[in-house]
Amino acid sequence: DTAVSQTPKYLVTQMGNDKSIKCEQNLGHDTMYWYKQDSKKFLKIMFSYNNKELIINETVPNRFSPKSPDKAHLNLHINSLELGDSAVYFCASSQSGRGRTNEKLFFGSGTQLSVL
Amino acid sequence: GESVGLHLPTLSVQEGDNSIINCAYSNSASDYFIWYKQESGKGPQFIIDIRSNMDKRQGQRVTVLLNKTVKHLSLQIAATQPVDSAVYFCAGTSGYSTLTFGKGTMLLVSP
Repeated sequence: DTAVSQTPKYLVTQMGNDKSIKCEQNLGHDTMYWYKQDSKKFLKIMFSYNNKELIINETVPNRFSPKSPDKAHLNLHINSLELGDSAVYFCASSQSGRGRTNEKLFFGSGTQLSVL
Repeated sequence: GESVGLHLPTLSVQEGDNSIINCAYSNSASDYFIWYKQESGKGPQFIIDIRSNMDKRQGQRVTVLLNKTVKHLSLQIAATQPVDSAVYFCAGTSGYSTLTFGKGTMLLVSP
């Protein structure tokens, strides 16, 4: 029973394409996140949704568009992929209420995106 | 904001040794800290957390120490085993701010 699951695990695509990554959590958490991990393992938050509502939107190109159809799902759509988008993208969730982040996050296993 | 950094990018130890991974933070308002372990090809996994009203917390083979005076925390792993080999991250936050991750330390355990 995977708590936070994301698909696909690997995504290889050409520059200029549009792709999506899906995430689902079965923990009953209210908040979900997308993090980007670069080649140096640095983790940086991209977005956070609480009960389908966007609450954190860091400086991310508007080619990245998160969508939360319900509080258990947070998908990430990326338009016009660029070489610099290559990274590992992690979905995460936490139980917290709106905006509070002082509690642990549960992470998915990551999606390794390679843009050629 | 929060800036969280680690002193050493790689730490190599022998099996059975105790390991200490250090982390410094910049925001004195930070009141919650987490240590994560990330194995190759996997997502970060929660190890232990500590709130600012504590200076020490123990788990199974792990201890986190928090020194608010010098804005430093450490993760101690007792009797380190090869399965402990991974990248370790500290992360911190202050109330409603975003959880900020440090750059990570790779722990290599030799049999």
